[in-house]
Amino acid sequence: AQSVTQPDIHITVSEGASLELRCNYSYGATPYLFWYVQSPGQGLQLLLKYFSGDTLVQGIKGFEAEFKRSQSSFNLRKPSVHWSDAAEYFCAVGKDSNYQLIWGAGTKLIIKP
Amino acid sequence: GAGVSQSPRYKVAKRGQDVALRCDPISGHVSLFWYQQALGQGPEFLTYFQNEAQLDKSGLPSDRFFAERPEGSVSTLKIQRTQQEDSAVYLCASSLGGGRSYNEQFFGPGTRLTVL
Repeated sequence: AQSVTQPDIHITVSEGASLELRCNYSYGATPYLFWYVQSPGQGLQLLLKYFSGDTLVQGIKGFEAEFKRSQSSFNLRKPSVHWSDAAEYFCAVGKDSNYQLIWGAGTKLIIKP
Repeated sequence: GAGVSQSPRYKVAKRGQDVALRCDPISGHVSLFWYQQALGQGPEFLTYFQNEAQLDKSGLPSDRFFAERPEGSVSTLKIQRTQQEDSAVYLCASSLGGGRSYNEQFFGPGTRLTVL
């Protein structure tokens, strides 16, 4: 069965520092991969997605993620975080269908001033 | 409105009470999803509609959970005889297309259900 693991429950980063959030998945074929952000009181917002092609994908708000098949990973990165990036980040895997996204448990990002 | 809206935003129910949660998707969106998000967890799929047809309800945890979308727009998730384990945030999402091709899902803010 498909699964998604986000090993870090929370991460604290200083404002202006770089960020990497880890995501590992378990899926037999090439998956559809997503990163979403959930801010307090806000709905989940799609940051970026990978379906095929270039393994480095660019998203909104300056985020990028790299698909590494050999490591079954899809880590999210940002070169310099801003206080407004404080939120919870979710990695998700989709099968070949639109629905049945499998979600990780999330990583809460805390920004130190 | 421009986005997906859900009401109520917060609901407190006594155990055994029935509740109804409403979702207004983005106008014109074909697909509608319900998810359950327990505290400290990621969302878990409950059910999927394409227009008014409920194509997948495999994630509904018990027969106490029922969802409908009678006119292919607004959807209601109903939980009968609520139990404490039903306490969670219920998320609704909609997407433009349907079928088996990915379209971005747009999420509402959720309804936080607390069962006492």
